Amino acid sequence: GDSVTQTEGQVALSEEDFLTIHCNYSASGYPALFWYVQYPGEGPQFLFRASRDKEKGSSRGFEATYDKGTTSFHLRKASVQESDSAVYYCALGRNSNNRIFFGDGTQLVVKP
Amino acid sequence: EAAVTQSPRNKVTVTGGNVTLSCRQTNSHNYMYWYRQDTGHGLRLIHYSYGAGNLQIGDVPDGYKATRTTQEDFFLLLELASPSQTSLYFCASSEGKNTLYFGEGSRLIVV
Repeated sequence: GDSVTQTEGQVALSEEDFLTIHCNYSASGYPALFWYVQYPGEGPQFLFRASRDKEKGSSRGFEATYDKGTTSFHLRKASVQESDSAVYYCALGRNSNNRIFFGDGTQLVVKP
Repeated sequence: EAAVTQSPRNKVTVTGGNVTLSCRQTNSHNYMYWYRQDTGHGLRLIHYSYGAGNLQIGDVPDGYKATRTTQEDFFLLLELASPSQTSLYFCASSEGKNTLYFGEGSRLIVV
């Protein structure tokens, strides 16, 4: 079945550091891939999506590239800020039934 | 911007109790979802619906019922609550293409 794996449970960085959060998926064909962000006390928010090989999604300085060869959709940001502290979820979806599978989430802590 | 409202925001009940969590969305989205969020497990799909009267089973449905009464309203029912159902519950809606809009969550504690 479809699944998403996020390698890091928590990432701790200082402001202006480079961020990478790893996401790998297992699925047949070309599922849509997503990143969602959840700030404390709120529900998750859609960040961006990509739906075909080599497509780049981006928003708010974050980006990820769909890579079917390595079945990955890693989240990157060149320079993080304290306000980026949140939980980040990688997700996989199927247009056929509008179901989404979420990874376990990665807690990002950015220290000033 | 889609608006999804959940109630109650916090609930404490006893084991064996009856709980209903409510969700209303105001953007006429076809799809609505109930997820539970637990540390170490991320977001897990309980039930979802693609329209009034429709119900689809998610990945962790045991112990939960759901009902979609209108385009706007989706309810999650726990008829015999157990401590294992202590969790943070999120409702979400979608117009398709898998982009979900979440509510602010309902925290349930079963003692």
